[in-house]
Amino acid sequence: DGGITQSPKYLFRKEGQNVTLSCEQNLNHDAMYWYRQDPGQGLRLIYYSQIVNDFQKGDIAEGYSVSREKKESFPLTVTSAQKNPTAFYLCASSQLGQGIWSPLHFGNGTRLTVT
Amino acid sequence: AQSVTQPDIHITVSEGASLELRCNYSYGATPYLFWYVQSPGQGLQLLLKYFSGDTLVQGIKGFEAEFKRSQSSFNLRKPSVHWSDAAEYFCAVGTGANNLFFGTGTRLTVIP
Repeated sequence: DGGITQSPKYLFRKEGQNVTLSCEQNLNHDAMYWYRQDPGQGLRLIYYSQIVNDFQKGDIAEGYSVSREKKESFPLTVTSAQKNPTAFYLCASSQLGQGIWSPLHFGNGTRLTVT
Repeated sequence: AQSVTQPDIHITVSEGASLELRCNYSYGATPYLFWYVQSPGQGLQLLLKYFSGDTLVQGIKGFEAEFKRSQSSFNLRKPSVHWSDAAEYFCAVGTGANNLFFGTGTRLTVIP
């Protein structure tokens, strides 16, 4: 079955360390997205990519970095510059096409705890 | 700028009762509107979407939503709630860049 795989499900890091969250999709979707979810705040867009080797900042990109070297992969690095990194991170993908708005498909998330 | 408001943070209903979750949006163009559901510790699953046409849209799991342009609303409804419907529900508006802007969610508790 096609889908989005996020790993690991739980991640623990010490403050000051960079950490990379994995996101892989086998849906052959063009676009991929990273969202951050905090209680009572809904989902906020961190970065998105519509094509390989290109990506754009979302609403809360500071302290994060991404790469899109392959169509199916969009890893997110939470750097030590992110002041409050503990959160639930969701990866999503969607198909792009002229005149077509494709709903996002989500992975099951990674819960990052930084102490 | 776009925005989505879900005025109810938490709703409790009895199993078998009807349900309506409210969503109001602000967006300059014709909106693409969505409802997603999230079980604890999981990702989001698409319930239904509105792009154009009939303002009453049917979704999965017996849910429906009605788009009312005059009220800038897209409320989610279900005639009879099941215990398995307990989850968090998010309304979202799609922007021209194929991005979604989410509301803050409504947590649904179902009591037997």
